[in-house]
Amino acid sequence: KNQVEQSPQSLIILEGKNCTLQCNYTVSPFSNLRWYKQDTGRGPVSLTIMTFSENTKSNGRYTATLDADTKQSSLHITASQLSDSASYICVVRTMNYGGSQGNLIFGKGTKLSVKP
Amino acid sequence: DGGITQSPKYLFRKEGQNVTLSCEQNLNHDAMYWYRQDPGQGLRLIYYSQIVNDFQKGDIAEGYSVSREKKESFPLTVTSAQKNPTAFYLCASSRRGTSLGTGELFFGEGSRLTVL
Repeated sequence: KNQVEQSPQSLIILEGKNCTLQCNYTVSPFSNLRWYKQDTGRGPVSLTIMTFSENTKSNGRYTATLDADTKQSSLHITASQLSDSASYICVVRTMNYGGSQGNLIFGKGTKLSVKP
Repeated sequence: DGGITQSPKYLFRKEGQNVTLSCEQNLNHDAMYWYRQDPGQGLRLIYYSQIVNDFQKGDIAEGYSVSREKKESFPLTVTSAQKNPTAFYLCASSRRGTSLGTGELFFGEGSRLTVL
């Protein structure tokens, strides 16, 4: 069964500290993995996408990693800010056997709270 | 600016009433989606449409209906048959294609429905 598991479920850190969010998946065949940030009461916004051949990708203070062998991804946030308080959702897309885009499998998200 | 507009932001409904949530996009995207988000759960797909005048059931379509008469619009009706309609509803759109595109979803700001 295709699944995406995120950990921790919630996390509280102090402003200025770093943190790492985890995403493990059992999706096959794999197309790509995307991290979304969702502010409370808002729609999710894409932070970064990882394809099979990519190991690391940065977007400002956000760095995503992908290990396709172990089917794990992480999102590292450096020098956290109060505005980083949000839910972070890991989404994996399957691939159809014709090479077209398949279904999306959503994780439940990690709720990050950054305290002053 | 291009984007997705959902309305209303908040909606209260009495049991037994149907309610329609609006979703409009000006991104010229072919595909549109409706998701339901409940606390502690990942996003669940209600309905999606890849092209005008065509739509498909998602994982939790029972008690919901949609239409796609225009490319820009994809309204969702929550009917009285939906047993637990209180939730946060998200509309999204994406480019449609058979290539290995990234398939990024662009979300609206959401509509929170509360059944009294």
